[in-house]
Amino acid sequence: GAVVSQHPSRVICKSGTSVKIECRSLDFQATTMFWYRQFPKQSLMLMATSNEGSKATYEQGVEKDKFLINHASLTLSTLTVTSAHPEDSSFYICSARDSGQGGTDTQYFGPGTRLTVL
Amino acid sequence: SQKIEQNSEALNIQEGKTATLTCNYTNYSPAYLQWYRQDPGRGPVFLLLIRENEKEKRKERLKVTFDTTLKQSLFHITASQPADSATYLCALENSGYALNFGKGTSLLVTP
Repeated sequence: GAVVSQHPSRVICKSGTSVKIECRSLDFQATTMFWYRQFPKQSLMLMATSNEGSKATYEQGVEKDKFLINHASLTLSTLTVTSAHPEDSSFYICSARDSGQGGTDTQYFGPGTRLTVL
Repeated sequence: SQKIEQNSEALNIQEGKTATLTCNYTNYSPAYLQWYRQDPGRGPVFLLLIRENEKEKRKERLKVTFDTTLKQSLFHITASQPADSATYLCALENSGYALNFGKGTSLLVTP
């Protein structure tokens, strides 16, 4: 099956610093990638939709200046948490939709990044 | 508003039995529905996608049904094993192709 990688898998940072998370589709091209956040005991919540070559679309309540998304290529999207605070501590998960020729319309998820802000 | 509801937060069954998980939805007209497995501290793993014109789909010990009239999908794991213990998520796409998830059903299979 299709593989999506995420890096880093775990990061601990001090309050006020910025953290960049990378999401890559390894064996397919994804014009659209998605970023989700998951708090303990809760389901995944969509943060933003990342489109290659254009600006990301953010869900209501998600600050676009705090969560910077760059979809630089058909296989790479990055999420930068700027000026992180303890309340940003969460599990961040990306996904990529296999929608190209021969694609399955299925979304494949990365393994997630555990962010802890001290 | 759109809702995806999954039955009970936890399901405990004995090894070898069939686990049946339910997903109900409202205010969606999905062309397809997806099921994912999530282990603690990991991202969801795709299991099955079933389209609106498919009544049933199977993959090894997994079976999914999709009833668009009842607005319900059932997910079955036959001959369950302790390794099947995980949280199972039902998901539907929104208009922007992002997934909306149910809260998930936690399955525990005991030897």
